[in-house]
Amino acid sequence: KAGVTQTPRYLIKTRGQQVTLSCSPISGHRSVSWYQQTPGQGLQFLFEYFSETQRNKGNFPGRFSGRQFSNSRSEMNVSTLELGDSALYLCASSPDRVIQPQHFGDGTRLSIL
Amino acid sequence: GESVGLHLPTLSVQEGDNSIINCAYSNSASDYFIWYKQESGKGPQFIIDIRSNMDKRQGQRVTVLLNKTVKHLSLQIAATQPGDSAVYFCAETGAGGTSYGKLTFGQGTILTVHP
Repeated sequence: KAGVTQTPRYLIKTRGQQVTLSCSPISGHRSVSWYQQTPGQGLQFLFEYFSETQRNKGNFPGRFSGRQFSNSRSEMNVSTLELGDSALYLCASSPDRVIQPQHFGDGTRLSIL
Repeated sequence: GESVGLHLPTLSVQEGDNSIINCAYSNSASDYFIWYKQESGKGPQFIIDIRSNMDKRQGQRVTVLLNKTVKHLSLQIAATQPGDSAVYFCAETGAGGTSYGKLTFGQGTILTVHP
């Protein structure tokens, strides 16, 4: 079974631009969560989607948004990029509402110039 | 806010030794705990998990211990190998509601295994 796939692996943007990151979960997984990883703040939860609905959201500004499609694939968007948005963005999937471990992709490394 | 934290940021061991990585959590409502391993350039990899109704769980060369009284979690790695060198994170979540899909991570411990 293929793992969680994130594209692209690397992105370089400038301040003020916007970016869209993509995540394909493990086949059959309906829950997709997004995290931001930085050296200073560690791994922080952005939001979670299940059956195309956002069920949970972390403490990030409204510039960070996401969506989930009917095939469970998910995208996250960051608008008006700031230098502080430079980070590794990780996507994780899990089967359903039953508590089970999340499985992570290898992330998208976003650098803001 | 509530968080999961690690006391030891680095741990160096010799190949063949047993390693113990510790984690403290503050949320008494935490219901589920997971250990992840993250290698350079990769995402976190699931190692082992434990529910709050258990004290101990064993996997292949790894054991997780949960002490709910003092809100402490540990990961024991037996016969540590150079390939075990990585950053190890503990993570926790509650049951439903505002915990849906949300893991709260510790800061991580860097494990270095010397041949």
